[in-house]
Amino acid sequence: EADIYQTPRYLVIGTGKKITLECSQTMGHDKMYWYQQDPGMELHLIHYSYGVNSTEKGDLSSESTVSRIRTEHFPLTLESARPSHTSQYLCASSEWSLSSYEQYFGPGTRLTVT
Amino acid sequence: AQKVTQAQTEISVVEKEDVTLDCVYETRDTTYYLFWYKQPPSGELVFLIRRNSFDEQNEISGRYSWNFQKSTSSFNFTITASQVVDSAVYFCALSEDSQGGSEKLVFGKGTKLTVNP
Repeated sequence: EADIYQTPRYLVIGTGKKITLECSQTMGHDKMYWYQQDPGMELHLIHYSYGVNSTEKGDLSSESTVSRIRTEHFPLTLESARPSHTSQYLCASSEWSLSSYEQYFGPGTRLTVT
Repeated sequence: AQKVTQAQTEISVVEKEDVTLDCVYETRDTTYYLFWYKQPPSGELVFLIRRNSFDEQNEISGRYSWNFQKSTSSFNFTITASQVVDSAVYFCALSEDSQGGSEKLVFGKGTKLTVNP
């Protein structure tokens, strides 16, 4: 059972507002990720982190920023929201061992910018 | 560059039919990992299976089965005797090996499966 949480689940906000999407996991995973999902379903990696104080940009360019001050917490911030940021944002964490690997996903935040 | 292609955008079947979801991948790595995820209408991504590039054994889990063929770079997913609860978007994904641990996932565009009663 994955323990990864995202808040809020739904957010409708006006253009120009600053927003932070929260993501937390209680599994002690070092690696965490943010994916953006288009209305047309495609998923793209926008940020990832291999541990505390480590953040990297993903394959899809994003105006958002992330931070990783604590292992369990990986928030995503948009300084000035725009309608083009309307999307679903999925957070994930992973752990690898010789016998198993999974990337656990949170329930997602559906963001609408009006 | 890595790429995953799911050519079927949408599939509609009647309950109890078998259905196969296709996945073709591209990678230059010799070690890599393939995944299938299910995304029901609630939006959460549910892990279904992982397969590494050295393990070409097919796998069966209940009504689900997976056919991995390196020769054709395919990792197809079959649902036998489909049920309405199988209706979801299914994603195939690829990850390169990095120091033995899978990292970033590259997703296909997904296949929306609708199972009608």
